[in-house]
Amino acid sequence: EDKVVQSPLSLVVHEGDTVTLNCSYEVTNFRSLLWYKQEKKAPTFLFMLTSSGIEKKSGRLSSILDKKELFSILNITATQTGDSAVYLCAVERGGGADGLTFGKGTHLIIQP
Amino acid sequence: DTGVSQDPRHKITKRGQNVTFRCDPISEHNRLYWYRQTLGQGPEFLTYFQNEAQLEKSRLLSDRFSAERPKGSFSTLEIQRTEQGDSAMYLCASSLQGPEYFGPGTRLTVT
Repeated sequence: EDKVVQSPLSLVVHEGDTVTLNCSYEVTNFRSLLWYKQEKKAPTFLFMLTSSGIEKKSGRLSSILDKKELFSILNITATQTGDSAVYLCAVERGGGADGLTFGKGTHLIIQP
Repeated sequence: DTGVSQDPRHKITKRGQNVTFRCDPISEHNRLYWYRQTLGQGPEFLTYFQNEAQLEKSRLLSDRFSAERPKGSFSTLEIQRTEQGDSAMYLCASSLQGPEYFGPGTRLTVT
């Protein structure tokens, strides 16, 4: 059975801090790993990672995948209160079937 | 691009009643997914359509659940004889070749 484990499950930091969120996975026939941000609504797509060692970046957010060690990290620099959300990691199998397998998420709270 | 839309956004029903939810995917997306999310958990996959064909169903999808996508555009998810354990957020997502994009969800409360 596919498995995605995120850590920490919750994190409270002050505005301006840098945070690193972790995601480890076990999946048969890995195709991609995705990060989503979820506020009190639907998950919003952040990154899709398929290759090891290639950093994807969008503004203050960046992510990288290690397919040998089966993990990914999501970094957020210079955090703002608007970054407060649940960050979800998901893996996709090859073939496009089965949908995504999600972790439980990291609940990030940014204090002013 | 109006994104994925879902209707209704909230539904309260009594145990034993049937409910139906609708999802309209992003217009050019041929893949459509249904997920269920409960508090403190990530979304759990329920079923997947490629065009009008239902290609995959999770073991979570008991025989009380049925989904259709009759013309390969919008989809409906029906739950018959609802139980309190069905209370959750039901999310729809669509994709073309890349990532899945999620709708706002339908929050179901079974009393």
